[in-house]
Amino acid sequence: SQTIHQWPATLVQPVGSPLSLECTVEGTSNPNLYWYRQAAGRGLQLLFYSVGIGQISSEVPQNLSASRPQDRQFILSSKKLLLSDSGFYLCAWDQSRVFKAFFGQGTRLTVV
Amino acid sequence: DQQVKQNSPSLSVQEGRISILNCDYTNSMFDYFLWYKKYPAEGPTFLISISSIKDKNEDGRFTVFLNKSAKHLSLHIVPSQPGDSAVYFCAASAGSGNTGKLIFGQGTTLQVKP
Repeated sequence: SQTIHQWPATLVQPVGSPLSLECTVEGTSNPNLYWYRQAAGRGLQLLFYSVGIGQISSEVPQNLSASRPQDRQFILSSKKLLLSDSGFYLCAWDQSRVFKAFFGQGTRLTVV
Repeated sequence: DQQVKQNSPSLSVQEGRISILNCDYTNSMFDYFLWYKKYPAEGPTFLISISSIKDKNEDGRFTVFLNKSAKHLSLHIVPSQPGDSAVYFCAASAGSGNTGKLIFGQGTTLQVKP
């Protein structure tokens, strides 16, 4: 069966510090991978998606970047965090043309 | 521009009664709709979906209805149980290419009282 792992679960970082969140998927190959963010009191917003290694599409301009160094690994990064980067970050995967995304447990990021 | 809207931030129902969660969308290109359930500090879990070629899909206690002309869908939970208490997100996809990029609504918090 397929599983998705996302870590860390919680993170408190000072403004201006770097960020690296990692997500890996097991039990499937060539998944589509996604990073979503849920800001306080709001729905989930798609940040990045990837259909293959090294292929990243950004949905909204922001202070974040994403990379996919391996088929089942997706990384969310920032060089300098802003207060507005605080939120609940979710990694998700699906298979091409099977429009049912599976989500990780999420990372609660608080920038102080 | 909110393409998927859940106008009710919260809903409270009695155990055993019906819960009806509503969702409206504006993009006529959306052709696939999903409902997710989310508990605090956890990722959303898939609940039920419907293709735009259907107007109803049922799975146990959960039924999703789609009214394309009104650009409206709803999730019915019958009978509601206390364990159903969670945040429910409506999501839509335009099925663009090979990706299932989902556009989510703001969520509705459902509380089922014993």
